[in-house]
Amino acid sequence: ETGVTQTPRHLVMGMTNKKSLKCEQHLGHNAMYWYKQSAKKPLELMFVYNFKEQTENNSVPSRFSPECPNSSHLFLHLHTLQPEDSALYLCASRYPGQGGEKLFFGSGTQLSVL
Amino acid sequence: AQTVTQSQPEMSVQEAETVTLSCTYDTSESDYYLFWYKQPPSRQMILVIRQEAYKQQNATENRFSVNFQKAAKSFSLKISDSQLGDAAMYFCAHVPNTGNQFYFGTGTSLTVIP
Repeated sequence: ETGVTQTPRHLVMGMTNKKSLKCEQHLGHNAMYWYKQSAKKPLELMFVYNFKEQTENNSVPSRFSPECPNSSHLFLHLHTLQPEDSALYLCASRYPGQGGEKLFFGSGTQLSVL
Repeated sequence: AQTVTQSQPEMSVQEAETVTLSCTYDTSESDYYLFWYKQPPSRQMILVIRQEAYKQQNATENRFSVNFQKAAKSFSLKISDSQLGDAAMYFCAHVPNTGNQFYFGTGTSLTVIP
């Protein structure tokens, strides 16, 4: 158990639905990440938040909308997704200080878009 | 360009034997960290071992050790006395010391044969 919790574990949604992914950590970390994991591809960075401010947006389509209300919680709001968005979405956190170079991952949300 | 290459999509090893997973990377940074992460079927990415680029000594963690060749930009993982629980996807990654973004390879699927 890494201390990073993601819900739900699985999600099936239609292309017209709106849903949200949730990530929570109580490790005292101040940086949180969303990654997309597709088969046979490297993990793709989507967003990074440091102290609740977005510091990285890796050209992610606007149908993915992140929200970071505080340093412990991170959301990914989904709307009008495409079938190619089906993937495992991983959340990670990190302490952005000396010795904080490690990422701690959640178990991910397996998303299927029909 | 910051890339990570894992040239072995799949590997297998007999239980109790030793296996080496390969990783090469490309970076223009002089100071960075390197990692091996393990992702079992539970999907949670777990840190196996990390290496600071400024350290010449190879990192070790129990049965896991690395062969870090900075000039060649090579970072291989050796697993000794392989156990059934070592079966997983293994990802190589690096992050610049001053950066947010972690760069991952495509992974190597390790099977341990009883």
